[in-house]
Amino acid sequence: GENVEQHPSTLSVQEGDSAVIKCTYSDSASNYFPWYKQELGKGPQLIIDIRSNVGEKKDQRIAVTLNKTAKHFSLHITETQPEDSAVYFCAVGAGSYQLTFGKGTKLSVIP
Amino acid sequence: KAGVTQTPRYLIKTRGQQVTLSCSPISGHRSVSWYQQTPGQGLQFLFEYFSETQRNKGNFPGRFSGRQFSNSRSEMNVSTLELGDSALYLCASSSLTPNTGELFFGEGSRLTVL
Repeated sequence: GENVEQHPSTLSVQEGDSAVIKCTYSDSASNYFPWYKQELGKGPQLIIDIRSNVGEKKDQRIAVTLNKTAKHFSLHITETQPEDSAVYFCAVGAGSYQLTFGKGTKLSVIP
Repeated sequence: KAGVTQTPRYLIKTRGQQVTLSCSPISGHRSVSWYQQTPGQGLQFLFEYFSETQRNKGNFPGRFSGRQFSNSRSEMNVSTLELGDSALYLCASSSLTPNTGELFFGEGSRLTVL
């Protein structure tokens, strides 16, 4: 089955700095790569996603890049703010609603 | 538009008991998925239902089962509870269009097994 590795597991940045989280996957048939943000006591919320026919996607301060050849994709958050503090999960899908998630990255933004 | 609603939010059971968790998807969403979240294993896929049919099942024992009703509401059941079943159980719904991918998660049902 699919295997998703996510790094780092924890990340602390100063407010205003950038944060980068990376994920690798194993199944070359995977074609959907979402990122979820989970705040304490809440369910994961989709923040951005990318599909295999696109290399990069941006949404304001958030961007995702995909390298299908190397089987890795990354989340970039610029100008971080304290409200960005949360656990971020990458996930991988292959044509169904069954996603394989990474183990998560706890991001702390220090004011 | 109301989000995904899960009940109960918290529950405590003892080993050997069974539990039923409920999920009401976003109106118009016909696909419902269930995930188990634990600190050690992270988010793991349990099963997915579409129009009352189970389309995919994760690698969990037969003690974990689910169903979906004609109104798209879903329930999952865990029988003969074990300590390791303590987890946050998350339900997610998706729109009719296949392969759009976006899952909308509820806030989960936190199960503690004593």
